[in-house]
Amino acid sequence: RKEVEQDPGPFNVPEGATVAFNCTYSNSASQSFFWYRQDCRKEPKLLMSVYSSGNEDGRFTAQLNRASQYISLLIRDSKLSDSATYLCVVNGNSGYSTLTFGKGTMLLVSP
Amino acid sequence: NAGVTQTPKFQVLKTGQSMTLQCAQDMNHEYMSWYRQDPGMGLRLIHYSVGAGITDQGEVPNGYNVSRSTTEDFPLRLLSAAPSQTSVYFCASSRGTVTNTGELFFGEGSRLTVL
Repeated sequence: RKEVEQDPGPFNVPEGATVAFNCTYSNSASQSFFWYRQDCRKEPKLLMSVYSSGNEDGRFTAQLNRASQYISLLIRDSKLSDSATYLCVVNGNSGYSTLTFGKGTMLLVSP
Repeated sequence: NAGVTQTPKFQVLKTGQSMTLQCAQDMNHEYMSWYRQDPGMGLRLIHYSVGAGITDQGEVPNGYNVSRSTTEDFPLRLLSAAPSQTSVYFCASSRGTVTNTGELFFGEGSRLTVL
């Protein structure tokens, strides 16, 4: 099982739709979880951290399920500008000095 | 605000040539790292450093060397380029323990083609 797995998509949704992505991780000892966003041919940027209690930032909600070892990202009221690849990130197996990135899920929001 | 600066942005090499990808950050971050990104493979960690004079290997270190003589700079050296090293390379830095903050600041990337 790969360390961090994501459905590559693409997820094609119309503007205003709600879309959710899941990500599974293999290391049950992982403590830190994040979502990054990467626009086409650009560098990744931190979107939000994922806390045990779940957290929300505007239209974005992230949740963690430790028992099943997955994290999720929910985007409400999708905008055209949300079109990007969303990367699931977990602290690496080597401990507290590395982050492991999933391959990403592509989202395409259409008018 | 310069942030993380990578040079060159584009480079074409022939098999067997060597080169250095430069990375500099002006945020006084202790943590720096190099990733490569390939289609279908995602970002993979090559080497990282938690401070000047300290480096460690990531997931795919073979064929690459790094050094960290100053806080600001973290160059990546390709010793003898191979076509398998054709990729987009990202340098990233972070303040403190990267897994606490989760916030890696990435450079714009260096696109390398090895013929």
